[in-house]
Amino acid sequence: DAKTTQPPSMDCAEGRAANLPCNHSTISGNEYVYWYRQIHSQGPQYIIHGLKNNETNEMASLIITEDRKSSTLILPHATLRDTAVYYCIVRTQGSNYKLTFGKGTLLTVNP
Amino acid sequence: EAEVAQSPRYKITEKSQAVAFWCDPISGHATLYWYRQILGQGPELLVQFQDESVVDDSQLPKDRFSAERLKGVDSTLKIQPAELGDSAMYLCASSPEQGAYNEQFFGPGTRLTVL
Repeated sequence: DAKTTQPPSMDCAEGRAANLPCNHSTISGNEYVYWYRQIHSQGPQYIIHGLKNNETNEMASLIITEDRKSSTLILPHATLRDTAVYYCIVRTQGSNYKLTFGKGTLLTVNP
Repeated sequence: EAEVAQSPRYKITEKSQAVAFWCDPISGHATLYWYRQILGQGPELLVQFQDESVVDDSQLPKDRFSAERLKGVDSTLKIQPAELGDSAMYLCASSPEQGAYNEQFFGPGTRLTVL
């Protein structure tokens, strides 16, 4: 699976949009971009995934560049409860394809 | 909402002792994963089961770690003997066998401290 690069930490003001970047320049054509987050002392939680089109769900939006070499996770109105480590993962589809976590980005939402 | 259950939540043991962790996945989920997460790092896959069969255990230290899922439902991860470096969070996850994207659902984890 392609490796990803994320900033180690970011800050965001409560109520503002949080934009978390991820670089995956070696992504191949059949690899999806997944985002998970991990709130302190909890297990990771799935947020969203995409292949090449932008995606939106009740939690977040995922913007993937046209060349697919980078993506941005957007939390439109960050709350204090969104403080967590956010992991960007690239992997091939299918149940046997494992998630390879990096160190992620610690997002701190400030009041 | 269905959740992955893990027990115990916390375990303190002395080195050279045996420890065991239990995981009950979401009902109907055929795939089960055990991850280890060292403080400050992302989770690392130890073993993956499809029903009762091991699909991937390439990162499992087999000299001291063992995992089983005898009936293809719940699973046990064992460490014998425990070493100081095994102190970590042990996470269990499950996913449906068939799914458009095979989202993994994680349990709360077992935090192991080896003294």
